[in-house]
Amino acid sequence: GDSVTQMEGPVTLSEEAFLTINCTYTATGYPSLFWYVQYPGEGLQLLLKATKADDKGSNKGFEATYRKETTSFHLEKGSVQVSDSAVYFCAPGGGTSYGKLTFGQGTILTVHP
Amino acid sequence: GAGVSQSPSNKVTEKGKDVELRCDPISGHTALYWYRQSLGQGLEFLIYFQGNSAPDKSGLPSDRFSAERTGGSVSTLTIQRTQQEDSAVYLCASSPSLDGANVLTFGAGSRLTVL
Repeated sequence: GDSVTQMEGPVTLSEEAFLTINCTYTATGYPSLFWYVQYPGEGLQLLLKATKADDKGSNKGFEATYRKETTSFHLEKGSVQVSDSAVYFCAPGGGTSYGKLTFGQGTILTVHP
Repeated sequence: GAGVSQSPSNKVTEKGKDVELRCDPISGHTALYWYRQSLGQGLEFLIYFQGNSAPDKSGLPSDRFSAERTGGSVSTLTIQRTQQEDSAVYLCASSPSLDGANVLTFGAGSRLTVL
């Protein structure tokens, strides 16, 4: 089945710092790739997605590019804000794990003023 | 409904009791998923439904766990003879279909505490 290796946290940054959270996956077929985010006290929600190789997903200043050759989907943001403090989850969807989205362990991000 | 609704939002129970957790998905969404989020354990897949059928039950931790979905809508996750290790937040999500490109919409979760 599909699996995900996600950068372990917690990650602590100062405001306006550059953020990278690494994610690599194992999946057969051609999965779509997702980043979900869980803000404090809130439910899990989609941050961005990419459905095919070389696609770039983007939202709220975050970006991630679907790299089929390296099976990666690293999350980046050029300048983080305090409000970005949350838990971030990487997940491949589809492929042979049809219907069973497999999440990474999650990376806790804390941004200080 | 407008979003995925879960109830109860919080449940405290004694070890050995049975609990039922309910999920009301977005209207028209045929796929429904249950996940469990334990402290330090990330998100653990439990089961998914396509309509009223559950093609994949592989994530259910033991035979004390069961789930059903009726009318292609509401789903109930039942935990019998609860144990302390069952304490977690149980998340339900729905999507328009099982297409892997679809986004899952999650509910707020049901926090279960087993004393």
